[in-house]
Amino acid sequence: DTAVSQTPKYLVTQMGNDKSIKCEQNLGHDTMYWYKQDSKKFLKIMFSYNNKELIINETVPNRFSPKSPDKAHLNLHINSLELGDSAVYFCASSQGQGHRETQYFGPGTRLLVL
Amino acid sequence: AQTVTQSQPEMSVQEAETVTLSCTYDTSESDYYLFWYKQPPSRQMILVIRQEAYKQQNATENRFSVNFQKAAKSFSLKISDSQLGDAAMYFCAYRAPYSGGGADGLTFGKGTHLIIQP
Repeated sequence: DTAVSQTPKYLVTQMGNDKSIKCEQNLGHDTMYWYKQDSKKFLKIMFSYNNKELIINETVPNRFSPKSPDKAHLNLHINSLELGDSAVYFCASSQGQGHRETQYFGPGTRLLVL
Repeated sequence: AQTVTQSQPEMSVQEAETVTLSCTYDTSESDYYLFWYKQPPSRQMILVIRQEAYKQQNATENRFSVNFQKAAKSFSLKISDSQLGDAAMYFCAYRAPYSGGGADGLTFGKGTHLIIQP
């Protein structure tokens, strides 16, 4: 069984469009995250959610909005897509928000904005 | 802000040999966790090993072990008996206790691309 899943795995879209990436975890974890991996493979935290509450928000454009309908899901909505949004987006989850908790990653979603 | 540095963009090793990947980090915290993640061409991020800063004993997981030097803020990964399946990007990551000041989650290094020569 997949622990952390993301859909879609690939997303190709035009500049200016709005898109969503879905994430689900079946580990019973309390905290979920979104990371962005750029073309140079650098990974950076974007958001984390704990008990459906946003607890951190890195300096990302407000075109990006995480939405969590329940503890097992954290979706990423992106409005007015730009060329620079092209990247691989990873969802992750952990049991708690503490630093002792190991984060488990989803397979990633490769977004290409044309 | 915490930073993680991986000074080796690429490393190459013969199959069955041993290779060490280096990682240094900068922090003013005393309690934190360190991780090594592996990212094969499939793109999946796979946890390799983790180390608690308060533990002096180095973590080991089968062929993978770390050399954790807290005073030097160094956290290297040793892979023994390298196998073709070890070929991947390896990322060192750091996490401190959440302080509510903003940055949370894992702080990653830029990665080391490990090549296994048959």
